[in-house]
Amino acid sequence: QVHLVESGGGVVQPGRSLRLSCAASGFTFRSYAMHWVRQAPGKGLEWVAVISYDGSSTYYADSVKGRFTISRDNSKNTLFLQMNSLRPEDTAVFYCARAAGLDIAAASDYWGQGTLVTVSS
Amino acid sequence: EIVLTQSPGTLSLSPGERATLSCRASQSVSSSYLAWYQQKPGQAPRLLIYGASSRATGIPDRFSGSGSGTDFTLTISRLEPEDVAVYYCQQYGNSLIFTFGPGTKVDIK
Repeated sequence: QVHLVESGGGVVQPGRSLRLSCAASGFTFRSYAMHWVRQAPGKGLEWVAVISYDGSSTYYADSVKGRFTISRDNSKNTLFLQMNSLRPEDTAVFYCARAAGLDIAAASDYWGQGTLVTVSS
Repeated sequence: EIVLTQSPGTLSLSPGERATLSCRASQSVSSSYLAWYQQKPGQAPRLLIYGASSRATGIPDRFSGSGSGTDFTLTISRLEPEDVAVYYCQQYGNSLIFTFGPGTKVDIK
């Protein structure tokens, strides 16, 4: 059974960095593109970034481009999100989600439970 | 960038009634690249529909999706109490930017 578990969230000051992880199990991780999606408190979903199955291609929302980096370690079945120059408006629950296949252009069929990032002084 | 608009913002219906949720795109979306998600309070989103009209694994057949171009619809044929949630549409694939709509909240009267 597919299982995605995010970790690494917490309280961080503006301008600082944080690295999120997503541990995957129950499927062949290296065969699927993966996403990060966030949700500010009381707000809707915002797509953040996607990475291809082999890590060779990445795409970002304009709101995080140049500050966030998505990566993966297929040998450890783990997805990462390196977040630099954090701003208060980055405060959100961050979800990792599996794309439904090798293709990046696919819906997200499994989601983790999320990890909360709070950016505050 | 494609902008998605969802209506209504909130839908209040009685159990057994039909719910019709709309998702409109600012430019044409390939039907292959339109999805619907359900998010219940305190939970992660769940994929309901992909490719505009294909039900995801394990989704009851009272949920159906339709539409093309710029206008898409999610229909819940007979609303049940457990369907209380926020429903989001998402387009994926256009320039590999994945946009969500603002959501429609479905309540039970």
